[in-house]
Amino acid sequence: DAGVTQSPTHLIKTRGQQVTLRCSPKSGHDTVSWYQQALGQGPQFIFQYYEEEERQRGNFPDRFSGHQFPNYSSELNVNALLLGDSALYLCASSLVTHNNEQFFGPGTRLTVL
Amino acid sequence: GDSVTQMEGPVTLSEEAFLTINCTYTATGYPSLFWYVQYPGEGLQLLLKATKADDKGSNKGFEATYRKETTSFHLEKGSVQVSDSAVYFCALNNNNDMRFGAGTRLTVKP
Repeated sequence: DAGVTQSPTHLIKTRGQQVTLRCSPKSGHDTVSWYQQALGQGPQFIFQYYEEEERQRGNFPDRFSGHQFPNYSSELNVNALLLGDSALYLCASSLVTHNNEQFFGPGTRLTVL
Repeated sequence: GDSVTQMEGPVTLSEEAFLTINCTYTATGYPSLFWYVQYPGEGLQLLLKATKADDKGSNKGFEATYRKETTSFHLEKGSVQVSDSAVYFCALNNNNDMRFGAGTRLTVKP
């Protein structure tokens, strides 16, 4: 049973560019959440998707957007990258009926130069 | 808003020492509480959880008790091993709003 997978593992971009990160949830899960983890900090909630809709959103600007596909996989898009967007981006999946228990992927390390 | 405060690290212990990592929270209502562990280069793994007051979560020798009166969820282990070296995060989930502490780095020396 595959857990949560994310791609790519690492990414380097320059300021002003756009980036797309991808996540496949654990088998059987229907809900995907995205988090930003800056170096030495705890994860910060970006948003959560369920039934292809954004269900909840944290305190992140509109430059951060997402999508969920019919197979429950998800993308995180960040436009107009800033140096401060450099972080580990974590995806977590869960069942909407058991949202208390989230399973995390290994993350995508984004570096903005 | 809701928040989690956990003991600052780093924490360095010798093998077989007793571990406590303090965690307190601020939240409205009745959140669920969690401890996650992050090994180098990996994502977060759920270590244990508690969903209501006085519940005790336990796993792999780690324990934490949901104390509503002191709004705390301290992590303990009686005898740490070198393999327990990692970063530990306390977290709460309140109506799908997940909040994490800043993390505590634990190093266990042989």
